[in-house]
Amino acid sequence: AAGVIQSPRHLIKEKRETATLKCYPIPRHDTVYWYQQGPGQDPQFLISFYEKMQSDKGSIPDRFSAQQFSDYHSELNMSSLELGDSALYFCASSLQGGRGYEQYFGPGTRLTVT
Amino acid sequence: QKEVEQNSGPLSVPEGAIASLNCTYSDRGSQSFFWYRQYSGKSPELIMSIYSNGDKEDGRFTAQLNKASQYVSLLIRDSQPSDSATYLCAVITGRRALTFGSGTRLQVQP
Repeated sequence: AAGVIQSPRHLIKEKRETATLKCYPIPRHDTVYWYQQGPGQDPQFLISFYEKMQSDKGSIPDRFSAQQFSDYHSELNMSSLELGDSALYFCASSLQGGRGYEQYFGPGTRLTVT
Repeated sequence: QKEVEQNSGPLSVPEGAIASLNCTYSDRGSQSFFWYRQYSGKSPELIMSIYSNGDKEDGRFTAQLNKASQYVSLLIRDSQPSDSATYLCAVITGRRALTFGSGTRLQVQP
């Protein structure tokens, strides 16, 4: 079965640079979520989109923005990167109303800020 | 206090034994409950979901939910070394994003 696709898998940036992470949800899933997982921490919710509209917002810094496009893929844009932004970034997708909003995670993007 | 609490472990069990993982949550309005397995450096993998009180079994896994006690557990029967991972309890409350516990690290000894 098709899974969530994320790109790139690894990204190295310098402080103050920008980064764009991409997510392609499971086909027919209408909701995309972004999570950040720092070393030794549990995943923290950043932001979600349902049918291309922002639906929920978590602990996303103002330096970050995201959107969902007409083909349902989503991009997380990160500007003025800081060392503390180094983390694993996961995208998950779900089907609204389907099986209690079960979320399926992509493989993640490992961002390293130097 | 975290909204979802788990014992960080490590929980060490011998191969073939039953591993019991526990989780408590603070929001009585929580609606959906999940267990994810995460290997080091990999993404969380959904292994069980449960929505109503009682037990739900799937293969070697059994999830148990007690909403009155705000308690969720996961039993892994016939534990295998390949089950060694961090198990994350996750809850959906008012918003539909997941709130995770800190995870319990399970070690299955051959």
